Amino acid sequence: AQSVTQPDIHITVSEGASLELRCNYSYGATPYLFWYVQSPGQGLQLLLKYFSGDTLVQGIKGFEAEFKRSQSSFNLRKPSVHWCDAAEYFCAVATFTGGGNKLTFGTGTQLKVEL
Amino acid sequence: EPEVTQTPSHQVTQMGQEVILRCVPISNHLYFYWYRQILGQKVEFLVSFYNNEISEKSEIFDDQFSVERPDGSNFTLKIRSTKLEDSAMYFCASNRRGGELFFGEGSRLTVL
Repeated sequence: AQSVTQPDIHITVSEGASLELRCNYSYGATPYLFWYVQSPGQGLQLLLKYFSGDTLVQGIKGFEAEFKRSQSSFNLRKPSVHWCDAAEYFCAVATFTGGGNKLTFGTGTQLKVEL
Repeated sequence: EPEVTQTPSHQVTQMGQEVILRCVPISNHLYFYWYRQILGQKVEFLVSFYNNEISEKSEIFDDQFSVERPDGSNFTLKIRSTKLEDSAMYFCASNRRGGELFFGEGSRLTVL
């Protein structure tokens, strides 16, 4: 069965510093990977996705992620964090069935940004 | 930009009561989902729905849960007899075949 691990429950960075959030997945086939962000009291917003092709994917809000098959990882990065990036970040892997695609989420990483 | 909308945003109910959470998926999407997130925990899959029937459901989705697409636009989640442990944020999502999921902003359910 597929699974997603986000090893860091909380991360604190200073505004302007770089950010990397870790995500490791377990999946038997080619994974379809996603990063979502959830601000307090809000829904889940898609930051970026990897389906195939270039292993470095660009997303919204200046985020990018790199798929590394050899490490089963899909880490999220941002060169310079802004205070408004404080939120919870979820990595997810999709399985496609005849009934659509089902996401399995990691436990999330709570990002705090210090001014 | 089209979006998934959910109502109510917050519902408080007594244990044992029935609750219906409503969702309007994006109009040209064919696949519909419910997920839930218990406070402080990860988002969990409940059920997927396609072609007017459940296509997959998780262990969480027991006989107390049901889903329905009563008309061409709404997608509902019913909990027949709520328990304390049903307190959570419930997210509706939809997508086209093979496409990314679009999530609503969630309905927070509090069971007292």
